[in-house]
Amino acid sequence: AQSVTQPDIHITVSEGASLELRCNYSYGATPYLFWYVQSPGQGLQLLLKYFSGDTLVQGIKGFEAEFKRSQSSFNLRKPSVHWSDAAEYFCAVGARGSASKIIFGSGTRLSIRP
Amino acid sequence: DAGVIQSPRHEVTEMGQEVTLRCKPISGHNSLFWYRQTMMRGLELLIYFNNNVPIDDSGMPEDRFSAKMPNASFSTLKIQPSEPRDSAVYFCASIKGQMNTEAFFGQGTRLTVV
Repeated sequence: AQSVTQPDIHITVSEGASLELRCNYSYGATPYLFWYVQSPGQGLQLLLKYFSGDTLVQGIKGFEAEFKRSQSSFNLRKPSVHWSDAAEYFCAVGARGSASKIIFGSGTRLSIRP
Repeated sequence: DAGVIQSPRHEVTEMGQEVTLRCKPISGHNSLFWYRQTMMRGLELLIYFNNNVPIDDSGMPEDRFSAKMPNASFSTLKIQPSEPRDSAVYFCASIKGQMNTEAFFGQGTRLTVV
């Protein structure tokens, strides 16, 4: 069974600073990997996903993530954060194969310092 | 498409009452997921369906919880009887196709059991 760990519960960065949110997964093969963002009172929105191919994937809102098989990681990055990026970020892993499920990490809350 | 539609958006009920949460997935999507989100436990997968068939209900916390998907356009999550510890935000998500692709989330139902 797959699992995902987000070791940082809460991160605060200054506006304009760079950001990296950590995600580690556990799965026997190459999984599907996702990053979602949740604004207060809202549902989850997909930022980016990795299925295969280039290990550096670009997403919406200027985010990117890199799949590193050797480290079982899929960290999310942004070179310069904006106040509107304050939200909860979830890493998720899905098993390959039909009718499989997506498991979410516990989330990282991002706060932006003016 | 209007996206995944959940109703009601908010529900306040007394302990012991039956609660029914509803979800309309995106047309053409054939997998549907129910998640529960709490501060303590994060996003938990409760159950998911593929082609209206329940595939994995191991996340359903107790027999008080039940879910159905009578057709491709409708699913319910029922709690009977409800308890205060069931208070949470319940999300429904749908996916198109057999493979894991982007999961589209509804806005969620905020349930408060008093």
